[in-house]
Amino acid sequence: KQEVTQIPAALSVPEGENLVLNCSFTDSAIYNLQWFRQDPGKGLTSLLLIQSSQREQTSGRLNASLDKSSGRSTLYIAASQPGDSATYLCAVGRDSNYQLIWGAGTKLIIKP
Amino acid sequence: EAQVTQNPRYLITVTGKKLTVTCSQNMNHEYMSWYRQDPGLGLRQIYYSMNVEVTDKGDVPEGYKVSRKEKRNFPLILESPSPNQTSLYFCASSTRGYEQFFGPGTRLTVL
Repeated sequence: KQEVTQIPAALSVPEGENLVLNCSFTDSAIYNLQWFRQDPGKGLTSLLLIQSSQREQTSGRLNASLDKSSGRSTLYIAASQPGDSATYLCAVGRDSNYQLIWGAGTKLIIKP
Repeated sequence: EAQVTQNPRYLITVTGKKLTVTCSQNMNHEYMSWYRQDPGLGLRQIYYSMNVEVTDKGDVPEGYKVSRKEKRNFPLILESPSPNQTSLYFCASSTRGYEQFFGPGTRLTVL
């Protein structure tokens, strides 16, 4: 059974730092992997989607990598800003994008 | 604008009073899903639909019903709500292989 783990559960860093959020999964036979952002009491916003055949995706200051063999994905945030403060969730697609297995999230606080 | 809409956004009700939370998407996505999010438990899938008239149970379907009569709509029905269904509910849609889009959420309180 696929399990998705995100470490750390919470992270607080000063503004301007580059940081890495981790997501690990137990079964390497994934369809894709998505990173989402959730602001308090709000919905989820998709940040990056990596297909199983891809190694990484980039959007602005965000870069997500995928290593299926080791069961890991990382989300790299460059030059962090207070507006990046949110909970970041990763979700693994099973045999299609339709059903996702979710991590518990990393709560990120960027201090001005 | 491509979006998933949910109504109502906030709802306070009493035990046993039937309610429906609507979900609509304007992206012609074949796949739609309902999740609930609870502190410490994360996101859990309630029901999903692969296309019109095709629905299936997720991880926590007890106490919920869904229907998919039109491609754009996927309402969540609570026939007899109970306090343990107090939660934050999200609807999502997707087309195969692509990112899932989420609605803004419905915060439900059952007294």
